Amino acid sequence: GESVGLHLPTLSVQEGDNSIINCAYSNSASDYFIWYKQESGKGPQFIIDIRSNMDKRQGQRVTVLLNKTVKHLSLQIAATQPGDSAVYFCAENLNSGGSNYKLTFGKGTLLTVNP
Amino acid sequence: NAGVTQTPKFQVLKTGQSMTLQCAQDMNHNSMYWYRQDPGMGLRLIYYSASEGTTDKGEVPNGYNVSRLNKREFSLRLESAAPSQTSVYFCASSEWAGAYNEQFFGPGTRLTVL
Repeated sequence: GESVGLHLPTLSVQEGDNSIINCAYSNSASDYFIWYKQESGKGPQFIIDIRSNMDKRQGQRVTVLLNKTVKHLSLQIAATQPGDSAVYFCAENLNSGGSNYKLTFGKGTLLTVNP
Repeated sequence: NAGVTQTPKFQVLKTGQSMTLQCAQDMNHNSMYWYRQDPGMGLRLIYYSASEGTTDKGEVPNGYNVSRLNKREFSLRLESAAPSQTSVYFCASSEWAGAYNEQFFGPGTRLTVL
């Protein structure tokens, strides 16, 4: 099975509310995580990343929290806007041998923002 | 600076036909990747090229071949297409296939195999 998964496949929020998207990972050796946003018909777009030596990182309207104890990652979007409607993926970077790493993606959460 | 480009955007094949998906990046990245995305699933790695001249299998390589033509270009070939290969294919690149490297994705190729 996949080592990265999401608790909620869909999330519907009202415009202006805060959104929280969760992700669980199973490989304690993972030391780098990325959140991607994918709009309909487009490729994934980088939102924010975090290294395992951090427990919180903030960007513009987004915050990623990492809890290594329970192997949990979350993405918080402040003041959610209709343009935030998309599928959100978390990904963990795993060592695939030697000095090479590969991203493993979760299945994604569909965020719908209601006006 | 176009980032990662993919051609074609859409393709319909009949079972048994062959085709090559093209990918190019203009960010001078060393590493390139091919993923497929199926409904309700995350992206699954088909093949990757950590650096020019090297290619390695990913999670789902069967039925595919790749060529790292040069530093900019990484192509994916389906020798004998099957309906199970109906999917959206994404190419990505990163500076290195290292521990802290963000991958940049192209817009995707939507492939249907009849």
